[in-house]
Amino acid sequence: EDQVTQSPEALRLQEGESSSLNCSYTVSGLRGLFWYRQDPGKGPEFLFTLYSAGEEKEKERLKATLTKKESFLHITAPKPEDSATYLCAVQDMEYGNKLVFGAGTILRVKS
Amino acid sequence: DAMVIQNPRYQVTQFGKPVTLSCSQTLNHNVMYWYQQKSSQAPKLLFHYYDKDFNNEADTPDNFQSRRPNTSFCFLDIRSPGLGDAAMYLCATSRDNRVADTQYFGPGTRLTVL
Repeated sequence: EDQVTQSPEALRLQEGESSSLNCSYTVSGLRGLFWYRQDPGKGPEFLFTLYSAGEEKEKERLKATLTKKESFLHITAPKPEDSATYLCAVQDMEYGNKLVFGAGTILRVKS
Repeated sequence: DAMVIQNPRYQVTQFGKPVTLSCSQTLNHNVMYWYQQKSSQAPKLLFHYYDKDFNNEADTPDNFQSRRPNTSFCFLDIRSPGLGDAAMYLCATSRDNRVADTQYFGPGTRLTVL
């Protein structure tokens, strides 16, 4: 059975204090790993898709990386508007397009 | 802008009273999904449609049904809501299901069961 574990559960940063969020996963064969941002009371907003180990993607202050067992979401010099829950999800080749999500990391950035 | 729309955003129903949640999309995507997300938990897939083909997850309760009358619309019917069905219900779409296509989510419907 696919498993996705995100850590830490919650993270408090000062504005400008860089850090990383972790997503560990277990799948039969990785079809894709997805990062989403979710604001309170809203639906997840797509950030990145990673397909194979060694791949990296960047968008503004965010950078996602992938290994065979985990993915990291690096946040460089965060701002208060980066505060949200960050969700990681995997697609397993055995189960088609089903997304299995982790519980998320709640990020709070204080000014 | 092309988007995924969910109505209503907030729904209150009584224990055992049937309720229908609506999702529409202007992306012209082939696949539509329904997820359930309880407070502080991960979204969990209930079922999806690839075009008109319905795919139910093995652990989705029989109390949950879905209809997709056309490409643009998909409905989630909860026949007899229980207190444990209170959650955020998320609709998502993707272009295809044969590759790792991105799923785009709507804003969600928050369901309260009294």
